[in-house]
Amino acid sequence: QSALTQPPSASGSPGQSVTISCTGTSSDIGAYNYVSWYQHFPGKAPKVMIYEVSRRPSGVPDRFSGAKSGNTASLTVSGLQPEDEADYYCCSYSGDSYVFGTGTKVTVL
Amino acid sequence: VQVVESGGGSVKSGTSLTLSCEISRINFSNAWPSWVRQAPGKGLEWVGRIKSWSEGGTTDYAAPVKGRFTISRDDSRSTLYLQIDSLKTEDTGVYYCATGIVTGTSYWGQGTLVTVSS
Repeated sequence: QSALTQPPSASGSPGQSVTISCTGTSSDIGAYNYVSWYQHFPGKAPKVMIYEVSRRPSGVPDRFSGAKSGNTASLTVSGLQPEDEADYYCCSYSGDSYVFGTGTKVTVL
Repeated sequence: VQVVESGGGSVKSGTSLTLSCEISRINFSNAWPSWVRQAPGKGLEWVGRIKSWSEGGTTDYAAPVKGRFTISRDDSRSTLYLQIDSLKTEDTGVYYCATGIVTGTSYWGQGTLVTVSS
């Protein structure tokens, strides 16, 4: 099972939007609507920001949104805030296993 | 919910190590917890998962670790275990315990560091 493909980095100024792609295959993202997005600060526990493609857990700002088309999922952060600067990982169910993305470092300029 | 991993440390390649993860304030017996690791400078990597006993208590592993990693659970202690045999230098990293990986109620610990030297 290969890692899902994400761009290594993304950036935007405060208030702008940034979209991160996550490309998988017909065996993972394309097969299931179980795609999550995690925000991770080094040394901390990853935090789920989006689950089941586009659902937001309570407490996550509505600036975070998710979508999926075919074998590719995406995370959009609208109205970027300085505290959004972090590593982001997608994760998909893949039939009795899970696969994470390669990770994207989001920088707020 | 509190998730606390332990058992990491500096070890020699070829030896074995067992990590523990206590998860409190959830119905642990119904959970299907996973282990996830992160090598230095690398991304998150799913290692494996164990189902609840009501679902058979079976385990699933990522291909790179199959045969050397063993996940087990003790519901009476709300504790998950990861035994790593024949440790390799590439097993170095932070090991996280997590529940509900693709759900909205996903709980993770802060991880335990394993350093394998030759």
